[in-house]
Amino acid sequence: GENVEQHPSTLSVQEGDSAVIKCTYSDSASNYFPWYKQELGKGPQLIIDIRSNVGEKKDQRIAVTLNKTAKHFSLHITETQPEDSAVYFCAAKDNAGGTSYGKLTFGQGTILTVHP
Amino acid sequence: EAGVTQFPSHSVIEKGQTVTLRCDPISGHDNLYWYRRVMGKEIKFLLHFVKESKQDESGMPNNRFLAERTGGTYSTLKVQPAELEDSGVYFCASSQASRAFFGQGTRLTVV
Repeated sequence: GENVEQHPSTLSVQEGDSAVIKCTYSDSASNYFPWYKQELGKGPQLIIDIRSNVGEKKDQRIAVTLNKTAKHFSLHITETQPEDSAVYFCAAKDNAGGTSYGKLTFGQGTILTVHP
Repeated sequence: EAGVTQFPSHSVIEKGQTVTLRCDPISGHDNLYWYRRVMGKEIKFLLHFVKESKQDESGMPNNRFLAERTGGTYSTLKVQPAELEDSGVYFCASSQASRAFFGQGTRLTVV
């Protein structure tokens, strides 16, 4: 089955700096890669996603890049703000059985702290 | 549009007791998933419903866990009898296509 590794486990930056979180996956059949942000006491919130036919996607201050050959993808947050502080999870869609709506395999999570 | 709703938000039970968690997915979403996060580790898949049918239950830990989705609307996850290692946050998610939307979770503590 799919295995997703996420680094770093914690990341501390100053407000205004950039933050980068990296993930690798094992199953070359995975074709969908979402990123979730989880704030304290809340559920994971989808912030951006990318499919395997796209190399990069950007939405305001956040961007995701995908390298299918190397099987890794990254989240980039620019001009970080204190409200970006949260736990961030990467995930990969397990395409076993050909279903498009299968389970997500998550990375271990990154605790991002943005200092004012 | 209402999001995914889970009840209760917190539950504290004694070892050996029974607990039932409920999830109301986004209206019209055929896919419903249960996940669990234990002790600050990664979020792990438990099972997947397509309407009222179990599509994939490969992540269910053992037969103390029973999930149902009668009528293809809301779902329940029952743990009977609960053990200490069942403590964690249980998330429900729903989707109609690739994007899955999560509820706020139920924090289960077994003492």
